[in-house]
Amino acid sequence: DIQMTQSPSSLSASVGDRVTITCRASQSINDYLNWYHQKPGKAPKFLIYAASTLQTGVPSRLSGSGSGTDFTLTISNLQPEDFGTYYCQQSFSAPYTFGQGTKLEI
Amino acid sequence: QVQLVESGGGVVQPGKSLRLSCAASGFSFSAYEMHWVRQAPGKGLEWVALLSYDGNNEYYADSVRGRFTVSRDNSKSTLYLQMNSLRPEDTGLYYCARGRDAYYKYCDYWGQGTQVIVSA
Repeated sequence: DIQMTQSPSSLSASVGDRVTITCRASQSINDYLNWYHQKPGKAPKFLIYAASTLQTGVPSRLSGSGSGTDFTLTISNLQPEDFGTYYCQQSFSAPYTFGQGTKLEI
Repeated sequence: QVQLVESGGGVVQPGKSLRLSCAASGFSFSAYEMHWVRQAPGKGLEWVALLSYDGNNEYYADSVRGRFTVSRDNSKSTLYLQMNSLRPEDTGLYYCARGRDAYYKYCDYWGQGTQVIVSA
């Protein structure tokens, strides 16, 4: 099975900051990498697929990059609604494993 | 609008069974793959299972393979998760999610989840 490791596990930032979350796969997954955002008590919300393609409606201050084993999610001009936990997920091969999550505190 | 509503959760003893349902509306259910994802209390997301649009292809997490079975009734726009031989570590909030794109298999819409507690 492919293991997904996110770093950091948590981070604190201020409104207006730029933050980067890293996701590493235990083997190459090409660009089969998805990102989700979850707020406490809510279902996850889908953000990005194919490592860098934003879902319709996701603000352009979010961006994803990477291929192979190393990926990043960058949020520019951080807003209060960006707090919560971010998860990466590989969809290269089943089981479609998630990273352990990165908790972002504003 | 796309809606996914899970039901069937509850408190069950270890070793017992439970069947979850996910009622879909607002889209052509029979054309989409469907996922189950769970979240233990205070923990991260764990992918559980995927079922193809026609029900012919199933995929499972190692932790549930052989105990859980995913199925669907396209005539009722409903996804199921039959959970047998339940263990305390199966406790959590179970989400169903619509699968989008045959290649990238991302979950674009999620239900609100149904709670499963496995305890003696």
